[in-house]
Amino acid sequence: RKEVEQDPGPFNVPEGATVAFNCTYSNSASQSFFWYRQDCRKEPKLLMSVYSSGNEDGRFTAQLNRASQYISLLIRDSKLSDSATYLCVVNTDKLIFGTGTRLQVFP
Amino acid sequence: GEEVAQTPKHLVRGEGQKAKLYCAPIKGHSYVFWYQQVLKNEFKFLISFQNENVFDETGMPKERFSAKCLPNSPCSLEIQATKLEDSAVYFCASSQTGTGTYGYTFGSGTRLTVV
Repeated sequence: RKEVEQDPGPFNVPEGATVAFNCTYSNSASQSFFWYRQDCRKEPKLLMSVYSSGNEDGRFTAQLNRASQYISLLIRDSKLSDSATYLCVVNTDKLIFGTGTRLQVFP
Repeated sequence: GEEVAQTPKHLVRGEGQKAKLYCAPIKGHSYVFWYQQVLKNEFKFLISFQNENVFDETGMPKERFSAKCLPNSPCSLEIQATKLEDSAVYFCASSQTGTGTYGYTFGSGTRLTVV
């Protein structure tokens, strides 16, 4: 079993749609959690950290459920520029990456 | 600098040749990490450094891969006798902390193609 599991997608959604990605992790000792975004084999860029209390950054909302070892990302009002691969990342003693969920937003 | 600088951007090597990749971390970041991303999007951790000391090398293939971070020089990742399966994008990242509490900042990667 992979340490961090994500649905690979692709998720194809129209502009303006709301889309949600989920992720599960296996190591209960994991300390911090992130969503990264990767465009077309470029470097991954930190989108946001994820906290148990939930956190929001504009159209993006992230949530962590430690009991279920589950992380989510919600994107509201999708834009064409949101098209990318979204990587769920978990920190144990180093960052462990999920394989990513591909999002394609169409006009 | 304010970015992680990786060179070269692209590298092509024949099987059996040596490949050497370089990474300059962000100024003030003590930790450097190397990851390998192969076609299926999987990021594999290779090795990390705290300054010039190896911090964690649990992901390094022992036989052909080596890495160094020397004072006042870019860090390097070297692959002796490259194989076809070494073809990947190699990302370097740096961080102020070793625990990744605030995530890492990644360089733009070196795409290695072994032919």
